[in-house]
Amino acid sequence: AQKVTQAQTEISVVEKEDVTLDCVYETRDTTYYLFWYKQPPSGELVFLIRRNSFDEQNEISGRYSWNFQKSTSSFNFTITASQVVDSAVYFCALSEDNYGQNFVFGPGTRLSVLP
Amino acid sequence: NAGVTQTPKFRILKIGQSMTLQCTQDMNHNYMYWYRQDPGMGLKLIYYSVGAGITDKGEVPNGYNVSRSTTEDFPLRLELAAPSQTSVYFCASSAYRGTGNTIYFGEGSWLTVV
Repeated sequence: AQKVTQAQTEISVVEKEDVTLDCVYETRDTTYYLFWYKQPPSGELVFLIRRNSFDEQNEISGRYSWNFQKSTSSFNFTITASQVVDSAVYFCALSEDNYGQNFVFGPGTRLSVLP
Repeated sequence: NAGVTQTPKFRILKIGQSMTLQCTQDMNHNYMYWYRQDPGMGLKLIYYSVGAGITDKGEVPNGYNVSRSTTEDFPLRLELAAPSQTSVYFCASSAYRGTGNTIYFGEGSWLTVV
């Protein structure tokens, strides 16, 4: 069975601090996909990144970076120099198949960036 | 680009009423989904469809029905609304094989049953 754990329920940081959101997953498959989504206060879900299980390269996109480590089953998300606009709920998700039927979300981490 | 569009955005229902949440996508995606998100929780899959005419249950299908008569549309029907169905509902879609399975979401529909 697949499972996604985001142990941090809520995080508060002051603007310009770096913050890392943790994601730990469980799966029996060797092929799977990992995702991060952002849900700002307005409520929509915004896709941030997708990673497949064969690509362990870390990725950087502007102030965002992702650290994928299969050895620890983790896919952590770091925001550098956080900004107030980064305040949102962030969801990590796992899909064990290519078509999304078994798409499991973690419970989310609420990030508050204070000015 | 419209992407995934769902309506209405907000709705209040009385217990026992029925309603349909509309969802349409313009990306020619074969796969469509309905999720619900309860307060402070992650998303749970209600129903999904792998193509026109084909639907299947997700994790929490009770109290809901879906249909998929076209590739673009995937309405979600609530019959005999109950307070437990107060939630935010997200419609989503993803492409067919070969292009990965990134799921794109609509903006959500806030439903309150009183």
